[in-house]
Amino acid sequence: RKEVEQDPGPFNVPEGATVAFNCTYSNSASQSFFWYRQDCRKEPKLLMSVYSSGNEDGRFTAQLNRASQYISLLIRDSKLSDSATYLCVVNSNDYKLSFGAGTTVTVRA
Amino acid sequence: GAVVSQHPSRVICKSGTSVKIECRSLDFQATTMFWYRQFPKQSLMLMATSNEGSKATYEQGVEKDKFLINHASLTLSTLTVTSAHPEDSSFYICSATRAGLGPYEQYFGPGTRLTVT
Repeated sequence: RKEVEQDPGPFNVPEGATVAFNCTYSNSASQSFFWYRQDCRKEPKLLMSVYSSGNEDGRFTAQLNRASQYISLLIRDSKLSDSATYLCVVNSNDYKLSFGAGTTVTVRA
Repeated sequence: GAVVSQHPSRVICKSGTSVKIECRSLDFQATTMFWYRQFPKQSLMLMATSNEGSKATYEQGVEKDKFLINHASLTLSTLTVTSAHPEDSSFYICSATRAGLGPYEQYFGPGTRLTVT
């Protein structure tokens, strides 16, 4: 079983729509969780950390459910520039990060 | 912010040759550097972890004699793909952490796209 699993999508949404997706992780001892954004053929960039109480950064809201071992990301009022692949990232052990394969979001005009 | 560079950004080489990829932290000293590989539509897979002045720690299934890692200074790590084969064609990305920050705060380089013909 993969350490981090994501729905690959793609999620095709119109501008202004809300889109949400989850990722699940297998290691119950994981402590740190992140969402990264990766544009085509580029390096991943940190979008936001995910805190136990959930957190919001502008139009982006992240939630963590430890009991069910999943993390969610919600994007409100989608912009064309939000089109990207969103990577769910979990620390596996020590300082290593485990990456999901990504969820592709395409926002259309 | 912390900047990590990689060189070259893209390389094409012939099967059987060796390719060296450099990863540099430009404005900070990197206590640890990581090397990842990403195949199309797949996740980043950690290949190895290196600390300045010590031998790299390779992940299971990664051949240390094929992927040579040298971390000679706090700002430079190199990955050499020896005797490259077409199946080594991939996107190689390095990342670095710096002292004083959490170990999960990794700054990524822009990646190197390797094509072996």
